[in-house]
Amino acid sequence: RKEVEQDPGPFNVPEGATVAFNCTYSNSASQSFFWYRQDCRKEPKLLMSVYSSGNEDGRFTAQLNRASQYISLLIRDSKLSDSATYLCVVTVDNYGQNFVFGPGTRLSVLP
Amino acid sequence: DAGVIQSPRHEVTEMGQEVTLRCKPISGHDYLFWYRQTMMRGLELLIYFNNNVPIDDSGMPEDRFSAKMPNASFSTLKIQPSEPRDSAVYFCASSLRQGVSYEQYFGPGTRLTVT
Repeated sequence: RKEVEQDPGPFNVPEGATVAFNCTYSNSASQSFFWYRQDCRKEPKLLMSVYSSGNEDGRFTAQLNRASQYISLLIRDSKLSDSATYLCVVTVDNYGQNFVFGPGTRLSVLP
Repeated sequence: DAGVIQSPRHEVTEMGQEVTLRCKPISGHDYLFWYRQTMMRGLELLIYFNNNVPIDDSGMPEDRFSAKMPNASFSTLKIQPSEPRDSAVYFCASSLRQGVSYEQYFGPGTRLTVT
């Protein structure tokens, strides 16, 4: 089993739609969780950290379920500019710096 | 402020040649990371440094790969000899750990093609 797994996608949604991505991880000792965004042929960039209580940043909401080892990202009112690959990230070492990236889920928001 | 700087941006080389990738982290950051991204394997951590000291190199694929960080503002990833399966995008990233929350900032990457 891979350490971090994500919905394979791609997700093709119309502008204004709500879309949800799921991510599961295998290491129960993982401490920190993130969602990164990667545009085509660009570097990954942090979208948001994921906190135990769940957190929201504008149209984006992240949830963590430690018991099920499950992370989610919800995007409301999708924009064309949201089209990208979304990478789930889990840390797996005591230093909290060994990032394990999921394979990513590609999102295309259509006009 | 300048972000993470990588050079070259593109490298095409022949099998068996030595390849050196370079990275300048964000000033003041104390962690530096080297990643490799391919379609088949996704984004993989190769090695990371803290205060110029290698902490975890378990992701380095084999002895042909080596990384150094001689000072806080420069790191290299060397492949010798290179093979076609080394073709990938290599990213360098840096971070500054503050409390339990931090962000890794990625450079634009070096696209390596080995023929």
